[in-house]
Amino acid sequence: KQEVTQIPAALSVPEGENLVLNCSFTDSAIYNLQWFRQDPGKGLTSLLLIQSSQREQTSGRLNASLDKSSGRSTLYIAASQPGDSATYLCAVQASGIQGAQKLVFGQGTRLTINP
Amino acid sequence: EAQVTQNPRYLITVTGKKLTVTCSQNMNHEYMSWYRQDPGLGLRQIYYSMNVEVTDKGDVPEGYKVSRKEKRNFPLILESPSPNQTSLYFCASSFGTGYSYEQYFGPGTRLTVT
Repeated sequence: KQEVTQIPAALSVPEGENLVLNCSFTDSAIYNLQWFRQDPGKGLTSLLLIQSSQREQTSGRLNASLDKSSGRSTLYIAASQPGDSATYLCAVQASGIQGAQKLVFGQGTRLTINP
Repeated sequence: EAQVTQNPRYLITVTGKKLTVTCSQNMNHEYMSWYRQDPGLGLRQIYYSMNVEVTDKGDVPEGYKVSRKEKRNFPLILESPSPNQTSLYFCASSFGTGYSYEQYFGPGTRLTVT
């Protein structure tokens, strides 16, 4: 059974710092890994999707990496801003007929950027 | 604008009173899914649909029903809600499942059952 873990559960850093959020998964048989952002009372916003054959994806100040063999992904946020404060979730889509029908989510990292 | 919409956004109801949460997407996606989010348990899949008239159970289907009569709509039905169904519900959609299929989520429906 696929399990996804995110550490730390919460992170508070001063504005302007670069930071890394971690995600690990137990089964390397995945189609892709997706990073989401969730603001309080809001839905999930997709940030980046990394296919299993890819090593990383970049979007603006965000860079996500994937090491499928070790079951790890990181989300790097450069020059953090107060507007980056949110909960960040990673989710994997397992490969195979059954596993591919859903995303398995981590518990999230609640990020606070202090002005 | 490409989006997944859900209605209502907030709902307070009583035990046993049937309700429907609607979900609609305007991206011509074939795959749609429902999740619930609970503190400490994260997001868990309730039901999913691979296409019109094709639905199947996710991890926590008890107490829920779905239907997919049109490609764009995937309503979630609680025929006899109970307090343990108090949760934040999300609808999601994508073109399919596989390597490059990004999933898009609706804004969520916060349901309270008293």
